[in-house]
Amino acid sequence: KAGVTQTPRYLIKTRGQQVTLSCSPISGHRSVSWYQQTPGQGLQFLFEYFSETQRNKGNFPGRFSGRQFSNSRSEMNVSTLELGDSALYLCASSTNSQGAGNTIYFGEGSWLTVV
Amino acid sequence: EDQVTQSPEALRLQEGESSSLNCSYTVSGLRGLFWYRQDPGKGPEFLFTLYSAGEEKEKERLKATLTKKESFLHITAPKPEDSATYLCAVQASSGNTPLVFGKGTRLSVIA
Repeated sequence: KAGVTQTPRYLIKTRGQQVTLSCSPISGHRSVSWYQQTPGQGLQFLFEYFSETQRNKGNFPGRFSGRQFSNSRSEMNVSTLELGDSALYLCASSTNSQGAGNTIYFGEGSWLTVV
Repeated sequence: EDQVTQSPEALRLQEGESSSLNCSYTVSGLRGLFWYRQDPGKGPEFLFTLYSAGEEKEKERLKATLTKKESFLHITAPKPEDSATYLCAVQASSGNTPLVFGKGTRLSVIA
């Protein structure tokens, strides 16, 4: 059974640009969550989507947005990139919403560097 | 506010030297506590889920235990391949809340 797939794995962007990251969840999983990981802050929750609806949102500015498609695949977008957005962006999927106590499974992540 | 504190931040062990990692949590009702392992440059890999105090789970050289205030990840006779960062996360039982992660313990096992 294929795991969570994230693309691209590595990317470099210039300050002010925007970026779109993609995530394909484990087959049959309907919930997709996004996390930002930095050395100083650890894993910070961005948002969760379940059946194409945003179920929860973390404490990030509006420049961070996401969506989920009918096939459960998800994308997140960061507009007007800042140097501080450099991080590992992790996607995780689960069978049901995180609130149901289900285990979430992570992808390998997308490394974003903003210069 | 739900909080997770992991200690120590870093741990260096000789191969075969058993030890424990600690995860202390504050949560308004615990729905589940999760342990993950993360290798450098990779996403976290799921290890265990614990749901109630007194519960224990084992996998190879790892054993996770849970009390009402903390969880321990015991590593018995570790090998160099156990070197990784170990992350603990909790999920509250109130509302539709996401997992809250600790900052992890970076484990190095020296041959």
